[in-house]
Amino acid sequence: NAGVMQNPRHLVRRRGQEARLRCSPMKGHSHVYWYRQLPEEGLKFMVYLQKENIIDESGMPKERFSAEFPKEGPSILRIQQVVRGDSAAYFCASSKTGVHSGANVLTFGAGSRLTVL
Amino acid sequence: QKEVEQNSGPLSVPEGAIASLNCTYSDRGSQSFFWYRQYSGKSPELIMSIYSNGDKEDGRFTAQLNKASQYVSLLIRDSQPSDSATYLCAVNRKYGGGTSYGKLTFGQGTILTVHP
Repeated sequence: NAGVMQNPRHLVRRRGQEARLRCSPMKGHSHVYWYRQLPEEGLKFMVYLQKENIIDESGMPKERFSAEFPKEGPSILRIQQVVRGDSAAYFCASSKTGVHSGANVLTFGAGSRLTVL
Repeated sequence: QKEVEQNSGPLSVPEGAIASLNCTYSDRGSQSFFWYRQYSGKSPELIMSIYSNGDKEDGRFTAQLNKASQYVSLLIRDSQPSDSATYLCAVNRKYGGGTSYGKLTFGQGTILTVHP
């Protein structure tokens, strides 16, 4: 049973380019979260999605960042016109239901590390 | 004031000792509390969750919660070199609709080193 799969694991972009990070949740999980971890900092919530719906995007920067979780395929976190400050580890997590407690807690993927030159 | 604060590290303990990690939170609406372990360059891994006041033990780990003091801690007994990692405290609350989904607020982490 594969866990949460993220790719690419490492991505290098030059300033102004676009970055696309993909996340396939665990089998049977339909709730996806994206978190960002800046160097030497804890994780920061970005967005919570269910299939075809954005539930909570309160942690997303207002510009350049977008996320989707289509009916088919992985969730995508898209960063347009990247800047050096976007360099971070981006973690995806999934859960089976929308209630976070007990056995239904987040399972994190291995992360995608974005470096902006 | 940060929403979740952890004791500044790094924390260094000898093998076999008790490691004590502390966390305070500011949101009185916080309802559930978690400790994650993160090895360098790896993903966070849940090691303990606690929802009510008191102690919760799981093997060498004990989580302690005091909602009145807005304080949660993690004790690691008989510390091993393999426990060397960053420990992240996270809290959760109920959001719109009264549900508690996976929008966690994390502390900045405490680096623990267990030396032989």
